[in-house]
Amino acid sequence: GAGVSQSPSNKVTEKGKDVELRCDPISGHTALYWYRQSLGQGLEFLIYFQGNSAPDKSGLPSDRFSAERTGGSVSTLTIQRTQQEDSAVYLCASSLEGNRRNTEAFFGQGTRLTVV
Amino acid sequence: GNSVTQMEGPVTLSEEAFLTINCTYTATGYPSLFWYVQYPGEGLQLLLKATKADDKGSNKGFEATYRKETTSFHLEKGSVQVSDSAVYFCALGAMNTGFQKLVFGTGTRLLVSP
Repeated sequence: GAGVSQSPSNKVTEKGKDVELRCDPISGHTALYWYRQSLGQGLEFLIYFQGNSAPDKSGLPSDRFSAERTGGSVSTLTIQRTQQEDSAVYLCASSLEGNRRNTEAFFGQGTRLTVV
Repeated sequence: GNSVTQMEGPVTLSEEAFLTINCTYTATGYPSLFWYVQYPGEGLQLLLKATKADDKGSNKGFEATYRKETTSFHLEKGSVQVSDSAVYFCALGAMNTGFQKLVFGTGTRLLVSP
């Protein structure tokens, strides 16, 4: 597609429920990233995919968070047993390649998650 | 660890004023440095970048120079427009943690009035 597409754009969920956030990267981009943007923490790295594998998961805040990528394309971020502190904007980005000094990451508009 | 510090906002300017948004960093080795911009209702966009000391990144009238001696990457524009109103993020990527993991500053909101 023309840009990175994320869905849904907004999600309100009850505490304790599971949620899935979807990211459709730019066609041909091998690298995909998830970030979280929250008032208290700013922009935080969550996970990096190169193809379908995730060589860097260091930013996932707990084992309630997981992500997968299939076909070297679409990625899903899953949050189990959501907590109020999970409320944030979840941003997805992609780039032609990952882990390069001059990598340019293209970001989606994000999914605003509100846990009530 | 690696970190980015940028000036608190909001920065409020009149159209055609000179803009500086300060950014300093702490990192091991020689990071790559970036400025991203987030316009209202839109996603983050790369504004400019510099990958080595003394490089100057520029785009849309904005400039920033990678200063190793002061560990800074200040964003400047000679004459701002109302359409420049947005949130600006300074970021770095470093070899010790992997260039894939961008570390962002907290963002600086710029408000330009006519």
